[in-house]
Amino acid sequence: SQQGEEDPQALSIQEGENATMNCSYKTSINNLQWYRQNSGRGLVHLILIRSNEREKHSGRLRVTLDTSKKSSSLLITASRAADTASYFCATDAGGETGGFKTIFGAGTRLFVKA
Amino acid sequence: DTAVSQTPKYLVTQMGNDKSIKCEQNLGHDTMYWYKQDSKKFLKIMFSYNNKELIINETVPNRFSPKSPDKAHLNLHINSLELGDSAVYFCASSRGFLRGRFKETQYFGPGTRLLVL
Repeated sequence: SQQGEEDPQALSIQEGENATMNCSYKTSINNLQWYRQNSGRGLVHLILIRSNEREKHSGRLRVTLDTSKKSSSLLITASRAADTASYFCATDAGGETGGFKTIFGAGTRLFVKA
Repeated sequence: DTAVSQTPKYLVTQMGNDKSIKCEQNLGHDTMYWYKQDSKKFLKIMFSYNNKELIINETVPNRFSPKSPDKAHLNLHINSLELGDSAVYFCASSRGFLRGRFKETQYFGPGTRLLVL
């Protein structure tokens, strides 16, 4: 089963609105990452948050991590049409080789209407 | 300059054929990966290599054989292709260990779209 699961599966908003995507995971993690995938392209790393961090910002992105609830959220503020993409959370599998095995969720498909 | 490149970008072939996908990274990274993304966009890790050594082999059929001739290259050879192999295959790389700490950020190639007929 997937370690990370995002919700919603799909999200459609107007330009200028905020978009919030959530990710839940099952086991203990060292860190959680968010990636973006534009249609027909590879994934692009957005932000990494470590297990001892609760919140992180990068430009219009804000990520929170709640290890007690095993969940994370990605907030994109003042969305733009160019933010239209799929967003994936990713966690490592833990253990000695955990860093080499990153487990991705199913992704949230965000559509920002101009 | 492309950081992680894959060839070919598209691959259409018949069942039973053998094909290879090549991956190269010019980032100086020690760790490389192969992922399979199915039609529902699930991205699943197949292999991880560190300094040319196989670290993770994630229950992939042995028809899939990765080969890392050097740290900058990780190729994927697939024998006896099956319909279910149709997917997008992504190569990625990451720094690996730096000052005793694993650097997790991965850089992805553009993907190879494989269609088996």
